[in-house]
Amino acid sequence: DVKVTQSSRYLVKRTGEKVFLECVQDMDHENMFWYRQDPGLGLRLIYFSYDVKMKEKGDIPEGYSVSREKKERFSLILESASTNQTSMYLCASSSTGQHVNEQFFGPGTRLTVL
Amino acid sequence: AQTVTQSQPEMSVQEAETVTLSCTYDTSESNYYLFWYKQPPSRQMILVIRQEAYKQQNATENRFSVNFQKAAKSFSLKISDSQLGDTAMYFCAFMKHAGTYKYIFGTGTRLKVLA
Repeated sequence: DVKVTQSSRYLVKRTGEKVFLECVQDMDHENMFWYRQDPGLGLRLIYFSYDVKMKEKGDIPEGYSVSREKKERFSLILESASTNQTSMYLCASSSTGQHVNEQFFGPGTRLTVL
Repeated sequence: AQTVTQSQPEMSVQEAETVTLSCTYDTSESNYYLFWYKQPPSRQMILVIRQEAYKQQNATENRFSVNFQKAAKSFSLKISDSQLGDTAMYFCAFMKHAGTYKYIFGTGTRLKVLA
């Protein structure tokens, strides 16, 4: 089974702190994604990576950056956390191979910025 | 740009009954994928069912089936014989067939199955 793990289920940070959210997948997937989930807004794509060291902006990249140094790991960075970044963050991965297009999701990190 | 609309923020259904969740989308693409994902409370999101736009036949997965109306750009999910474990957020998602692996999600429908 594909497994996508995220470093924390719950995280509380202060305004202005630098925040790292880590995501690891164990199925050698090429594509990895970071979403933000807010009530009434669904899932919105922050950043997408289709290969190591490659990244592409999603719909709401402002205030975020990402890093993908290894194929299995995709990090989301909040350079200076703000209260409007309080949200649920979901990581996902997908393959360009046989079961193309299905995304596999992690359990999510609920981030609160005070 | 593509958009996905789920017009029912919340729904409820009695156990063993049938419920239909609505999804409409807007695209100028001729070939694409559509998905329904389920997010149970405090659990990971999982794929329920997928439909390829070039396939006429509606997809089915056990108790889950879709009504795909390409001309109307409609993609509804029918859950038959609803079970308590079907209680979840359901998201409709769209993906262009070629050139990208990115989804566009709807805003979700919260379904509660009542005992």
